[in-house]
Amino acid sequence: NAGVMQNPRHLVRRRGQEARLRCSPMKGHSHVYWYRQLPEEGLKFMVYLQKENIIDESGMPKERFSAEFPKEGPSILRIQQVVRGDSAAYFCASSPIGTPYNEQFFGPGTRLTVL
Amino acid sequence: DQQVKQNSPSLSVQEGRISILNCDYTNSMFDYFLWYKKYPAEGPTFLISISSIKDKNEDGRFTVFLNKSAKHLSLHIVPSQPGDSAVYFCAARGAGNMLTFGGGTRLMVKP
Repeated sequence: NAGVMQNPRHLVRRRGQEARLRCSPMKGHSHVYWYRQLPEEGLKFMVYLQKENIIDESGMPKERFSAEFPKEGPSILRIQQVVRGDSAAYFCASSPIGTPYNEQFFGPGTRLTVL
Repeated sequence: DQQVKQNSPSLSVQEGRISILNCDYTNSMFDYFLWYKKYPAEGPTFLISISSIKDKNEDGRFTVFLNKSAKHLSLHIVPSQPGDSAVYFCAARGAGNMLTFGGGTRLMVKP
């Protein structure tokens, strides 16, 4: 049973470009969460999605950031017109339906560098 | 507003001794707490968790203690091993399933 997959592992973008980060949850998991880790900080919640639904996006910046989890395919975190402050590690986590303990399983992360 | 705090950014322990990592929180609505271990360039790995209705949970060398009245939890690792060297994050679950993480404690276990 493969774990949470994220790609790319490293992404370099110039200011103003778009960044697309992909996350495939563990098999059987239908809940996806995105977190961001800035240098020397802990992980900060961004968005929580189920298939075709955004459940909680209270941690998402109001502009330039969007997320989706389509019926088929991976979850996508999109950052438009990237700025240097977007440089961070972006982690995706997944959990199955009905778990009473909400243990979230994390992917290896995508390290975004904005030049 | 940091709802989950790990006040020690680093901790150094001799192999074989006990490692104690601490975590404080402010939100009394948190109902579930987790510890994650993270190596460089990898995602966090789930370690151990505890429900707010319990005060202790043990799994092998790892024990988590929860003191609700003090809003404090701790992770004990005994005996500590060099392979335990990593950054440890505590996390708390609130409304909506999202996890709120502390800033992490870097544990170094010296042989």
